[in-house]
Amino acid sequence: GAGVSQSPRYKVAKRGQDVALRCDPISGHVSLFWYQQALGQGPEFLTYFQNEAQLDKSGLPSDRFFAERPEGSVSTLKIQRTQQEDSAVYLCASSLVGSYEQYFGPGTRLTVT
Amino acid sequence: QKEVEQNSGPLSVPEGAIASLNCTYSDRGSQSFFWYRQYSGKSPELIMFIYSNGDKEDGRFTAQLNKASQYVSLLIRDSQPSDSATYLCAVSDNDMRFGAGTRLTVKP
Repeated sequence: GAGVSQSPRYKVAKRGQDVALRCDPISGHVSLFWYQQALGQGPEFLTYFQNEAQLDKSGLPSDRFFAERPEGSVSTLKIQRTQQEDSAVYLCASSLVGSYEQYFGPGTRLTVT
Repeated sequence: QKEVEQNSGPLSVPEGAIASLNCTYSDRGSQSFFWYRQYSGKSPELIMFIYSNGDKEDGRFTAQLNKASQYVSLLIRDSQPSDSATYLCAVSDNDMRFGAGTRLTVKP
């Protein structure tokens, strides 16, 4: 079946611009996670949804970061007024409810110039 | 102190050898432990998970967990060049916390 998809795969933004990153989880996966992966580092947790409810947003680095999943399926991570330190790969993962086994999408590589 | 620590490597082993990857974690209450493989430019893919102390084998892979020592390892037997990748250790209680990864190179 189809895996987790993310779009765009690559995004170049000028400092100060707003960006929106999309994630389509595996059909039927209730849980959805966003991670930020800097070069040479492991993924860092950003936020977690169960259906449309955002249960944990403790990893969002600042109030410029905002995530939503209004219908419990597709999710969007929005970054306002992008800064150079936001440059990273943003990974989305999904899992079945109650399962720790997360399946990752291909990621969006964001470069802020 | 980082929550999940891994030796960044690179770890280089000859083809056919056993590769041993190690990970320590700081939260004694952690319950679930995972190994992900990440090829360069690709997303992580789950290869093993372990919840109980002891060993868990899956094909050429064996995960070992010692909760008293807060230590989890991954052994790869009969290493192949296609195993060359970064291996990420992850620990989960509520959130998933990843180590920085160990880069493994298997030389033909």
